[in-house]
Amino acid sequence: AQKITQTQPGMFVQEKEAVTLDCTYDTSDPSYGLFWYKQPSSGEMIFLIYQGSYDQQNATEGRYSLNFQKARKSANLVISASQLGDSAMYFCAMRGFNFGNEKLTFGTGTRLTIIP
Amino acid sequence: DAGVIQSPRHEVTEMGQEVTLRCKPISGHNSLFWYRQTMMRGLELLIYFNNNVPIDDSGMPEDRFSAKMPNASFSTLKIQPSEPRDSAVYFCASKLGTSGGRGPYEQYFGPGTRLTVT
Repeated sequence: AQKITQTQPGMFVQEKEAVTLDCTYDTSDPSYGLFWYKQPSSGEMIFLIYQGSYDQQNATEGRYSLNFQKARKSANLVISASQLGDSAMYFCAMRGFNFGNEKLTFGTGTRLTIIP
Repeated sequence: DAGVIQSPRHEVTEMGQEVTLRCKPISGHNSLFWYRQTMMRGLELLIYFNNNVPIDDSGMPEDRFSAKMPNASFSTLKIQPSEPRDSAVYFCASKLGTSGGRGPYEQYFGPGTRLTVT
């Protein structure tokens, strides 16, 4: 079984500053994947970034990077140069790589508000 | 390219009525997932299909819920009879099959169906 913990219910960040959203996880699977999704007020879920537990380097996608610290079981999302459009709910999720198991387990989310 | 398509986007129904939610996955994707999002329980997986076959339905709340995937381009989630506690946003997501265990692994979500049962 997997468990995701997001301890920041809400964050306020000044526009153009970098922001780190925390995510810790727990799993008994030897290999697993970690994901971040963005949910704007319109409601859709937007995939942002993926990190495999076996990946040697931290994942990056444009302004998004994933600070993966395996020993600490953390997978924090870093958004550089925040923009007003980054205001949204952000969900951390994971899945194990047991055969046939594609289930994503989500955290409770962090509501990010960018202040102009 | 068209994303995951869900219909209806909003559904308001009375307790006891049958509700059918529909999903068209991204063309070429061979895994399809149904999620439910509520304030109390967050996002939870209800069921998922791989190559049209149900793989894990352990998240389906009870016998009132059923899901089908008759072909690679269509799936339904049915609630019969509906109850007020079924009110939630229901998401469908799809995913491309992995190649040699190297991914891709991300799921792509539809816009969701907001269900209100009065």
